Amino acid sequence: AQSVSQHNHHVILSEAASLELGCNYSYGGTVNLFWYVQYPGQHLQLLLKYFSGDPLVKGIKGFEAEFIKSKFSFNLRKPSVQWSDTAEYFCAVTRDSNYQLIWGAGTKLIIKP
Amino acid sequence: NAGVTQTPKFQVLKTGQSMTLQCAQDMNHNSMYWYRQDPGMGLRLIYYSASEGTTDKGEVPNGYNVSRLNKREFSLRLESAAPSQTSVYFCASSEGGGLNQPQHFGDGTRLSIL
Repeated sequence: AQSVSQHNHHVILSEAASLELGCNYSYGGTVNLFWYVQYPGQHLQLLLKYFSGDPLVKGIKGFEAEFIKSKFSFNLRKPSVQWSDTAEYFCAVTRDSNYQLIWGAGTKLIIKP
Repeated sequence: NAGVTQTPKFQVLKTGQSMTLQCAQDMNHNSMYWYRQDPGMGLRLIYYSASEGTTDKGEVPNGYNVSRLNKREFSLRLESAAPSQTSVYFCASSEGGGLNQPQHFGDGTRLSIL
């Protein structure tokens, strides 16, 4: 069965540190890749997405992610985090014509001011 | 815009009770979804509705039923609640076929089954 793995369940960083959150998926065919974010007390919202083309995708709030097909990875990055980036981050994947998003377990990110 | 509205936000049930979770979207989206979120796990799809008049099982449909009442509304029913159904339930919608259309989420319903 297809799965999505997020390597770290909890990450704690200081402000201005660089961020990389890992995401790996198990399906070998054509995939669509997403990162969603859930800020405290808010609903899930889309951070960025990859369907095709340039494997380096830029999203909102300075986030970016790189699709590396050979590594089945779609890691999320931000050069310099802010306290307001404290949230839970979810990686999700769909494949082919399937409607179903397969979700990772999420990474809770805490930024110390 | 309200987006995706879920009611109620919180609910406590006793084992064996029934309940319907309501979801409505005002974005004229075709597709709607119900997920559950449990600690340490990703969201898992319970049921989805690709378009008005259709519903399909997701990853964890057992113990649930759904109704796509019209284009706006997609309800989730627990006929006989069990403690294993204690979870946070999210409704989502997307404009089209779920692939290249991002999903928009409601605020969630926290459901506890005693």
